[in-house]
Amino acid sequence: DVKVTQSSRYLVKRTGEKVFLECVQDMDHENMFWYRQDPGLGLRLIYFSYDVKMKEKGDIPEGYSVSREKKERFSLILESASTNQTSMYLCASSLPGGSHRNEQYFGPGTRLTVT
Amino acid sequence: EDKVVQSPLSLVVHEGDTVTLNCSYEVTNFRSLLWYKQEKKAPTFLFMLTSSGIEKKSGRLSSILDKKELFSILNITATQTGDSAIYLCAVDATNAGNMLTFGGGTRLMVKP
Repeated sequence: DVKVTQSSRYLVKRTGEKVFLECVQDMDHENMFWYRQDPGLGLRLIYFSYDVKMKEKGDIPEGYSVSREKKERFSLILESASTNQTSMYLCASSLPGGSHRNEQYFGPGTRLTVT
Repeated sequence: EDKVVQSPLSLVVHEGDTVTLNCSYEVTNFRSLLWYKQEKKAPTFLFMLTSSGIEKKSGRLSSILDKKELFSILNITATQTGDSAIYLCAVDATNAGNMLTFGGGTRLMVKP
């Protein structure tokens, strides 16, 4: 079974703090993703990585950065947290493009509150 | 820009009812459409559809894709309270690399 884990289930931070969200997957997947989920807006892609040290911006990258130093680990960084970044953050991983099964496997999510 | 729209936004039914959830999309270079169920935590994969007219079934859930009209439906028959969840539709378009574009989800509540 694919396992995707995230470092925290709940996190409360203050405005202006630097925040690290960690994601680890154990299936040797090349692709990893960070989404945020807000009511009525579904899942919106923040960043995507298709290999170590490789990243691509998603739909809403502003205010975020990412790091992928090892294949199994993908970190999301909020350089200076703001209240509009209060959200549920979901990490996912998948096999590389071209696979006949391209579904993404999700972690349990981190609910971040910025006060 | 790729777009995926789900309807209705939310739905409340009684146990035993049948529900149909809708997903329409506008993407270039469509590759596949995926359905996920999200309860309290992570979305879990339900179906992947790549061809029109071929129904995928898993127990009381079934789904079909219409690539001409650009939509998919997810049917749940004889609903149970355990079906209460957010149902997410996502589209994989080859021009988007490995990224999925998600719809806003349909929140289904099944009352006893």
